[in-house]
Amino acid sequence: QLVLTQSPSASASLGASVKLTCTLSSGHSSYAIAWHQQQPEKGPRYLMKLNSDGSHSKGDGIPDRFSGSRSGAERYLTISSLQSEDEADYYCQTWGTGLGVFGGGTKLTVL
Amino acid sequence: EVQLVESGGDLVQPGGSLRLSCAASGFTFSSYWMHWVRQAPGKGLVWVSHVNSDGSSTSYADSVKGRFTISRDNAKNTLYLQMNSLRAEDTAVYYCAAQSSSRVFWGQGTLVTVSS
Repeated sequence: QLVLTQSPSASASLGASVKLTCTLSSGHSSYAIAWHQQQPEKGPRYLMKLNSDGSHSKGDGIPDRFSGSRSGAERYLTISSLQSEDEADYYCQTWGTGLGVFGGGTKLTVL
Repeated sequence: EVQLVESGGDLVQPGGSLRLSCAASGFTFSSYWMHWVRQAPGKGLVWVSHVNSDGSSTSYADSVKGRFTISRDNAKNTLYLQMNSLRAEDTAVYYCAAQSSSRVFWGQGTLVTVSS
């Protein structure tokens, strides 16, 4: 069964960096994923697609502070030089045979 | 400018029906897969349904299979979700999303409340 696992919460200080993790279930480690951001009281915003070879394609206007990487079944979203507006929920998402899947989301707090 | 504008959300009684629409502009609608995604109050994003670019293939989450129908009209650049036999647990903000091989566009959402 295709499942994406995310930690429920993360925190980091203003100006620091943070690395969020999304783990693909067993047997699905080659899947591409997408990262989405949802700021409080707003709709989701596409950040990037992270391919199985580690390459990624960002959405329009997404700052260079946002980057993606991978290791095995893990997919990462790194945000550097944290700003207050980065405080949001972050979701990973993928697509399996006939169905879409979201991770449970990580709530990022900027201290 | 890319825009996805959902409409049709409302308060409806359990067992009732509702039709959501998503009007697209600013991109080649007929080239994109389209999805409906929902978010219950205080909860995370949940994928609901998808339709491929020409409307010939659809898929549904188990929780809505047999009750919801997704469709699209590429001549009108519009996506639809027909929702029947609505339940309290269908209460959520419903978002439409357009997906290509390298990007996703999101709408702003429309609220569906199922309550007596």
